[in-house]
Amino acid sequence: AQTVTQSQPEMSVQEAETVTLSCTYDTSENNYYLFWYKQPPSRQMILVIRQEAYKQQNATENRFSVNFQKAAKSFSLKISDSQLGDTAMYFCAFSRNYGGSQGNLIFGKGTKLSVKP
Amino acid sequence: DTGVSQNPRHKITKRGQNVTFRCDPISEHNRLYWYRQTLGQGPEFLTYFQNEAQLEKSRLLSDRFSAERPKGSFSTLEIQRTEQGDSAMYLCASSLAGVKETQYFGPGTRLLVL
Repeated sequence: AQTVTQSQPEMSVQEAETVTLSCTYDTSENNYYLFWYKQPPSRQMILVIRQEAYKQQNATENRFSVNFQKAAKSFSLKISDSQLGDTAMYFCAFSRNYGGSQGNLIFGKGTKLSVKP
Repeated sequence: DTGVSQNPRHKITKRGQNVTFRCDPISEHNRLYWYRQTLGQGPEFLTYFQNEAQLEKSRLLSDRFSAERPKGSFSTLEIQRTEQGDSAMYLCASSLAGVKETQYFGPGTRLLVL
């Protein structure tokens, strides 16, 4: 069975600073996807960034980047130039790769990030 | 593209009553997922459909839970004989199957069982 662990229940960062959220996972699969989702207060969950396990290059999306360490089963999210709108719960998630398609998502417990002015 | 919608947004019911939630996916999406999220936890997978076929069900989905997706469009999730432990946020997500599949989530239905 796959598991996803987020060891930081809460974090805070000053506006414009950089913060890194940690995630580790456990799987016996070789092909899979990893994701970071953002859930702002009272708003719906949105995808921040995706990583395909067969790609060695770390994914980036504007101010968001990941550090994917496949052997260590680690998948951290770095947010640069933090903005007040980044305040949210951040969930790390895993999905098996079924010939290119996803399956259901397996989520960690989340990290509550507060960006302070 | 109006996004994924869920109704009702909030539901309060008494233990033992039946409740039904509805999810309307993004129109061209062929996959629809149901998740449950309790306080302080990440969402947990319940079940998913590709078109009208229910392809996978979690062990979390007891026999009191049933989901349908008639005609491969909207989906309903029914909980029979609700228990206090069913209190949670029920999330729906839809996607278009393929290499760049992305699950788009709805706002959820918050259920409180008294």
